[in-house]
Parts: sequence; C-alpha cells; structure tokens
Amino acid sequence: LAKTTQPISMDSYEGQEVNITCSHNNIATNDYITWYQQFPSQGPRFIIQGYKTKVTNEVASLFIPADRKSSTLSLPRVSLSDTAVYYCLVGIMDSSYKLIFGSGTRLLVRP
Amino acid sequence: EPEVTQTPSHQVTQMGQEVILRCVPISNHLYFYWYRQILGQKVEFLVSFYNNEISEKSEIFDDQFSVERPDGSNFTLKIRSTKLEDSAMYFCASSEEDISGELFFGEGSRLTVL
Repeated sequence: LAKTTQPISMDSYEGQEVNITCSHNNIATNDYITWYQQFPSQGPRFIIQGYKTKVTNEVASLFIPADRKSSTLSLPRVSLSDTAVYYCLVGIMDSSYKLIFGSGTRLLVRP
Repeated sequence: EPEVTQTPSHQVTQMGQEVILRCVPISNHLYFYWYRQILGQKVEFLVSFYNNEISEKSEIFDDQFSVERPDGSNFTLKIRSTKLEDSAMYFCASSEEDISGELFFGEGSRLTVL
C-alpha cells in the first residue's frame, strides 16, 4: 500500500528555521514533488515544487535526495503567520497512478 | 490572479439525499480533481478527470460518486445517496499539466450530512 508520511506536528519559535520531511517510497519515476500550505477552512496553497536536488523560491527551499524517496521543506525564519498544516504531494504508482497528499504536518509557531 | 471557485461553500443535507458540488476551474487548465478532507484529517484524493473522462479514482470514489463536465466551464461532483460519513470538506483543483503536480485549489465546499 503506497504511503506518504510526515511528522504529525512540529513546534517552533518566530525567527527559527523549520525543516519538515516527507517520505514517499513509491514516488512515480517522472513526477515532481510539491508542497502545500493549508490554513483552517481553506484550500491548500502551493508553496514550492521540485524534481531533484535543491529548489529555492522566495518563501522556502526544497531538498530532494538522489533516490527521491523523501523530501524536506525548509522554511527560513518562520513567523506566527506560518502556523498551518503543511502537506507534500507526490504522484504514486501502486495499482495505478494517483496524486497523493502526505499525512500533513501541523506547524505551530510560537512568539 | 485566476482562481478555482466552488459552490456552495456549505451545504447541509439529509442522509440519502443527492448532492451536487460545483467547481469552475481555471479557464486554460486541462486536468481537474476532487479531493475531500474529513474534519481534522488529511486531504484525500477522490478522482482526476481529463479529456472528458475519469483518468484515476481512489477506493473512496465508489458507485455513489460521479463527476461531470457538463459545459466548458463547470466541473461537478455528484453524490447520489449521501451517508453520514460523507460529511467533509470537498476541494476541487485544476492544473495545466498532470505530471507537474502543481494544483490550484478552490476554497472548498463543506458538506454536512444529518
């Protein structure tokens, strides 16, 4: 059974760097890895996407090892407004191809 | 900025009733998806749709669910006979490319089955 797993929750303080890892053993060969942020009662919002190695944009970095069986979202200098649930999204091949969300990591940023 | 819109934002229905949730994807997108999220749980894949047919569906998407693109803009999810356990937030998403995985989500439709 294909699974995409993440830590359930993480705590941090304002100004710290936060790293959230997702494991995705069954990732499809040619698929990208995408991370989303979700606030309560809202739809997920795109943060960053990558295929391999490292990707950086204005809000985050994404680290992907060579085997692509995991990925790490890095949020530099988090603020209170970064308190949210963070999901990885990958294409998984088991009986067929599906875009599957990870289990989600609830990040709490404290003052 | 283009966005995915969903209606209704909240629907309350009686068990056994039919429900139709509507979505207007971003206009130049070709791939459409429905996901659901039971309160406090993760976002779960239901179905993907491309070229006027279902491309993939999950175990959740059984015979009581159906999707349709009745015209050039709307994408609907129908639940024929709702059950209590169908109570959830239903998210529509669209993307330009399937394999890129960059999905644009609507704000969701909350379904409450009594």
